Amino acid sequence: SAVISQKPSRDICQRGTSLTIQCQVDSQVTMMFWYRQQPGQSLTLIATANQGSEATYESGFVIDKFPISRPNLTFSTLTVSNMSPEDSSIYLCSVYPGQLNTEAFFGQGTRLTVV
Amino acid sequence: QQQVKQSPQSLIVQKGGISIINCAYENTAFDYFPWYQQFPGKGPALLIAIRPDVSEKKEGRFTISFNKSAKQFSLHIMDSQPGDSATYFCAASKSNTGNQFYFGTGTSLTVIP
Repeated sequence: SAVISQKPSRDICQRGTSLTIQCQVDSQVTMMFWYRQQPGQSLTLIATANQGSEATYESGFVIDKFPISRPNLTFSTLTVSNMSPEDSSIYLCSVYPGQLNTEAFFGQGTRLTVV
Repeated sequence: QQQVKQSPQSLIVQKGGISIINCAYENTAFDYFPWYQQFPGKGPALLIAIRPDVSEKKEGRFTISFNKSAKQFSLHIMDSQPGDSATYFCAASKSNTGNQFYFGTGTSLTVIP
């Protein structure tokens, strides 16, 4: 199993500013994922963060808007840059600590409100 | 394009009743189908999962039924309890894509005492 600590749990930010979300895992994992969950919506994958390489972004998400760091096998950050109200959402990190297709673990999420 | 379609969007069930949530997928390369349960303010947590080599998997009150030919799978919650009130997401993934999960749109379940 994996225990994920995600910070902050929530924040209210001004338009045009940036917020960095941290994800700390209690064990080493190869792949970490960042998802966005808009109010009442499903989870949408933003990017895959591998240690030692640049993150891989899904269609509709770009590095300039959502830069990701992955300095080691237990930690990652997602920055939401130049925020607008449309970025108000829950951001979740997720890991797969085992072999392929085993359980995915999620952090509790960061609820972001942009005003 | 929604890779996994989920219905209904919301569901209200009496305590002791059966809750049924359905999902359908298009990509036959998917080979892992989990269900996640999410309570308000929490991240999703794995509830139960199935692979396409079996047609049914049961864990306690929770059962997944899988129909490979129809590309459909469903979650059945027997003897539903108020504590089951949560949002449920189905998902699908394929082994050769590094565990990327495609999620359904979610079902908000309310179990009335």
